[in-house]
Amino acid sequence: EVQLVESGGGLVQPGRSLRLSCAASGFTFDDYAMHWVRQAPGKGLEWVSSISWNSGRIGYADSVKGRFTISRDNAKNSLYVQMNSLRAEDTAFYYCAKDIGKDIFLDGFDIWGHGTVVTVSS
Amino acid sequence: SYELTQPLSVSVALGQTAWITCGGNNIGTKNVNWYQQKSGQAPVLVIYRDSKRPSGVPERFSGSNSGNTATLTISRAQAGDEADYYCHVWDSSAAVFGGGTKVTVL
Repeated sequence: EVQLVESGGGLVQPGRSLRLSCAASGFTFDDYAMHWVRQAPGKGLEWVSSISWNSGRIGYADSVKGRFTISRDNAKNSLYVQMNSLRAEDTAFYYCAKDIGKDIFLDGFDIWGHGTVVTVSS
Repeated sequence: SYELTQPLSVSVALGQTAWITCGGNNIGTKNVNWYQQKSGQAPVLVIYRDSKRPSGVPERFSGSNSGNTATLTISRAQAGDEADYYCHVWDSSAAVFGGGTKVTVL
């Protein structure tokens, strides 16, 4: 079964850091680009970051550029996002999503995890 | 930055057809993807590259894209189609989502 499982969410104070992980199974992880998408409570979907199959291409939303770093470990079938200098507006459900293809900036996201909640509050 | 405009809500009678629009400047030149998100669940891809259906998605879901408007069509609407629907494109190396449309089946 194709599956993505996020972990690492929680309550964190403003200005602190958090690292989210996404464990992939049921497909050849290094054949696909991967993404992080977030959703604030009661709001719509917001793209966060993307990484190509071999980490050769990476993209970030302006709202997180310079604060978040996406990475992947193909040997461990895992996707990560290091989130620094967290702000209250980063509070959201964070979803890991698999791309239809290898590269980013092209296609849709065909598999999504169930998400992990990040709450930034003092 | 590129913007996608969706109606906040669409209502459809059981068994009838719903059209959900996604407006954007020359969106017809882009590949449009559509996601269904039921309450409390993760999004699910229902249409990609304007009109392609992933395996497992009913034929009742179809998509089109031309000019400044992309459209997701739900034929023979069922109660289980009640959800939020989001369109998505890539523009200038960034993913852009529409604000979402809540579909209610009456």
